[in-house]
Amino acid sequence: SQQGEEDPQALSIQEGENATMNCSYKTSINNLQWYRQNSGRALVHLILIRSNEREKHSGRLRVTLDTSKKSSSLLITASRAADTASYFCATALIIQGAQKLVFGQGTRLTINP
Amino acid sequence: DGGITQSPKYLFRKEGQNVTLSCEQNLNHDAMYWYRQDPGQGLRLIYYSQIVNDFQKGDIAEGYSVSREKKESFPLTVTSAQKNPTAFYLCASSIDLPISNYGYTFGSGTRLTVV
Repeated sequence: SQQGEEDPQALSIQEGENATMNCSYKTSINNLQWYRQNSGRALVHLILIRSNEREKHSGRLRVTLDTSKKSSSLLITASRAADTASYFCATALIIQGAQKLVFGQGTRLTINP
Repeated sequence: DGGITQSPKYLFRKEGQNVTLSCEQNLNHDAMYWYRQDPGQGLRLIYYSQIVNDFQKGDIAEGYSVSREKKESFPLTVTSAQKNPTAFYLCASSIDLPISNYGYTFGSGTRLTVV
């Protein structure tokens, strides 16, 4: 079963609106990361939040982490057409001394002009 | 500029053929990873390596093999034992610390198709 599950699977909003994507996970984590992927391209690292942090900002991105609920959310404010992409959360686990990233299925975000 | 280079961008494999995907990085990262992505899906870990001459199986290693003879290079071979190899393959690297708070850097991927 997936460590990270994202909700919704797809999201379509108007330009200028805020977009919120959620991620839930099952086991304890070292940190949680969000990535963006344009169709058929590389994943790009957006933001990392450590397990002892609750909120983090980067430009128009705001990430929250609730370790008691094992969930995170990514908020993109004032969305733009260029924000159209798939967004993935990834949980960092320490397994046998090595850090491994486990990815969710992603949320496909469409920003309509 | 530092980064990860994957080649080729597109690759076609005949049934029963082995093919090798290249991944090279000049970021001086210790750790490298191979992921597979199927359409509309997340990424699944195939193999990873924390240091030269050492690598570990990920969640879906069957039908794949890797080598790590140089720090910069982590090639992936898709063998004929992999029954459903058509997918998008992504290579990544990272600073490898016991507890790393850095993200991964990804290559632009290789799209493999069985013909």
